[in-house]
Amino acid sequence: AQKVTQAQTEISVVEKEDVTLDCVYETRDTTYYLFWYKQPPSGELVFLIRRNSFDEQNEISGRYSWNFQKSTSSFNFTITASQVVDSAVYFCALSWDNYGQNFVFGPGTRLSVLP
Amino acid sequence: ETGVTQTPRHLVMGMTNKKSLKCEQHLGHNAMYWYKQSAKKPLELMFVYSLEERVENNSVPSRFSPECPNSSHLFLHLHTLQPEDSALYLCASSQDQEENTEAFFGQGTRLTVV
Repeated sequence: AQKVTQAQTEISVVEKEDVTLDCVYETRDTTYYLFWYKQPPSGELVFLIRRNSFDEQNEISGRYSWNFQKSTSSFNFTITASQVVDSAVYFCALSWDNYGQNFVFGPGTRLSVLP
Repeated sequence: ETGVTQTPRHLVMGMTNKKSLKCEQHLGHNAMYWYKQSAKKPLELMFVYSLEERVENNSVPSRFSPECPNSSHLFLHLHTLQPEDSALYLCASSQDQEENTEAFFGQGTRLTVV
């Protein structure tokens, strides 16, 4: 079964703290894609990153970084020096075909960054 | 400003009403999607259209009826809904459904069924 687990329902941090959002996935496919999306209070989902299963190299984009480890089936997301504008719900997602039809989201983690 | 626009942003409807949600994308994409986000479940994919043809229907009740008249527009027709259908309905589009590219989402329609 394909599944995405985000065990952290809600996280609160104080501005400038680093925070890591966990994502654990399950799939039997050897080729798959992992995504992170941000959903601010306005509602839309904003694409952050896509990673395919053959690329385990970690990625950094500004204050954002992602740690992909196939050995633990995890694709964790770290925000460094968090800011109030980072407050949102963050979704991890898994797709296991090339056609975009099989796609599952995790339940999301609500991040609150306090000033 | 998002390239995917959804209207209305908020909708309250009775169980006997008929309403439609509209989605428009200005990104030149070939694939469009409807998702449902409710408080109790993870984000669920409802329908997928590729080049205006429906390619996926994830066991969605028939009271939800999608329509894709062209590659830029997607509708979700609603009739005789139930209170449990209250949710945020998100539309998305992607460049090419076969390439598994990232999807761009609209701001959603917050639907309340009373």
